[in-house]
Amino acid sequence: DVKVTQSSRYLVKRTGEKVFLECVQDMDHENMFWYRQDPGLGLRLIYFSYDVKMKEKGDIPEGYSVSREKKERFSLILESASTNQTSMYLCASSNPRGTGETQYFGPGTRLLVL
Amino acid sequence: GNSVTQMEGPVTLSEEAFLTINCTYTATGYPSLFWYVQYPGEGLQLLLKATKADDKGSNKGFEATYRKETTSFHLEKGSVQVSDSAVYFCALSAGANSKLTFGKGITLSVRP
Repeated sequence: DVKVTQSSRYLVKRTGEKVFLECVQDMDHENMFWYRQDPGLGLRLIYFSYDVKMKEKGDIPEGYSVSREKKERFSLILESASTNQTSMYLCASSNPRGTGETQYFGPGTRLLVL
Repeated sequence: GNSVTQMEGPVTLSEEAFLTINCTYTATGYPSLFWYVQYPGEGLQLLLKATKADDKGSNKGFEATYRKETTSFHLEKGSVQVSDSAVYFCALSAGANSKLTFGKGITLSVRP
């Protein structure tokens, strides 16, 4: 069974802290994605990676960075957390074979920044 | 750019009622279309998809048909169950690397 895991289900951080969210997939997928989910806004793409050490900005990259040192792991970094980054963060992975590929999602990390 | 528009929610239905959730899209090229579902406390999972015009995706009693002429991909189910209560997202993929563009999602609640 395919699996995408995220390091924490719930996280509470203080404004200004550096925050790391980790995502691991066991499907040997080349593509990995980070989204944030907010009520009334749906899912918005923060960053994605189509290969190790490769990354591209999504629709809302400001305030975030990413790291992909190994194929199975994709990290989202909040350099200096702010209250407007309180959200649900979802990681996903897929094969790059074309537009019809399914993305597989992790369970999400609910982040609260105080 | 690409966009997905879903009908406004939330939607509340009684068990065994008929469900329709509207979804329309704007995209360049020939997108693939998806419905994802998010059950309470979980991540998203694929419900069904269609990769070309007139294709019908189906799963768990849900269906959606890719209508190029009306740029729509409406989700239907003939008889909903309490266990169908979830958030439903319509999405499209129209570029390289299987990037998805999502609609805002709609919450469905089914009463016993």
